[in-house]
Amino acid sequence: GQQVMQIPQYQHVQEGEDFTTYCNSSTTLSNIQWYKQRPGGHPVFLIQLVKSGEVKKQKRLTFQFGEAKKNSSLHITATQTTDVGTYFCAGGRSASKIIFGSGTRLSIRP
Amino acid sequence: GEEVAQTPKHLVRGEGQKAKLYCAPIKGHSYVFWYQQVLKNEFKFLISFQNENVFDETGMPKERFSAKCLPNSPCSLEIQATKLEDSAVYFCASSPGTGLGSNQPQHFGDGTRLSIL
Repeated sequence: GQQVMQIPQYQHVQEGEDFTTYCNSSTTLSNIQWYKQRPGGHPVFLIQLVKSGEVKKQKRLTFQFGEAKKNSSLHITATQTTDVGTYFCAGGRSASKIIFGSGTRLSIRP
Repeated sequence: GEEVAQTPKHLVRGEGQKAKLYCAPIKGHSYVFWYQQVLKNEFKFLISFQNENVFDETGMPKERFSAKCLPNSPCSLEIQATKLEDSAVYFCASSPGTGLGSNQPQHFGDGTRLSIL
């Protein structure tokens, strides 16, 4: 079945350092979504990428969708303590279903 | 409402007992999804509904799990004869529908933490 792998599993950075998480699908995706889950909270939608090679920015966050629509990345520039949480990619194929990646847990040293 | 409402927040059951979880999707959203999140954080898709119809149930364990979305009632997820391994946080999400060639963002509830003793 379809799998969405995400690396790294954990990342511990100094505040102000950059952070990147990578997402790879075993099959071509129609779109990819990114969610953030704070400790003890629920996933919150960040963004959706649809087009091949698409790049979107939200302040310090940069999201990319690969040319083959099988991989994606989220890059955070100059991390802040408010960035702490687990970041999930979710690959969409069918109209109703997205497959979540395993998540990357980001922790930050002040 | 404007938020997905899940009840109860916590549910404790003895092994072998029944557990029933509820979810009220955002008003106007056509799709409802159920996920199971265990300690290692991975989200396991269980089932999705389009209005009151099952849309995709490929993630549902065949035997003990069942779910419904009836008109004018919260959706429900029921686990019969619970096992220790059912301990997890169960999230419900809803979305307005599907866009052409894309999925709509899913709006998650706060989850129900199910503890099986």
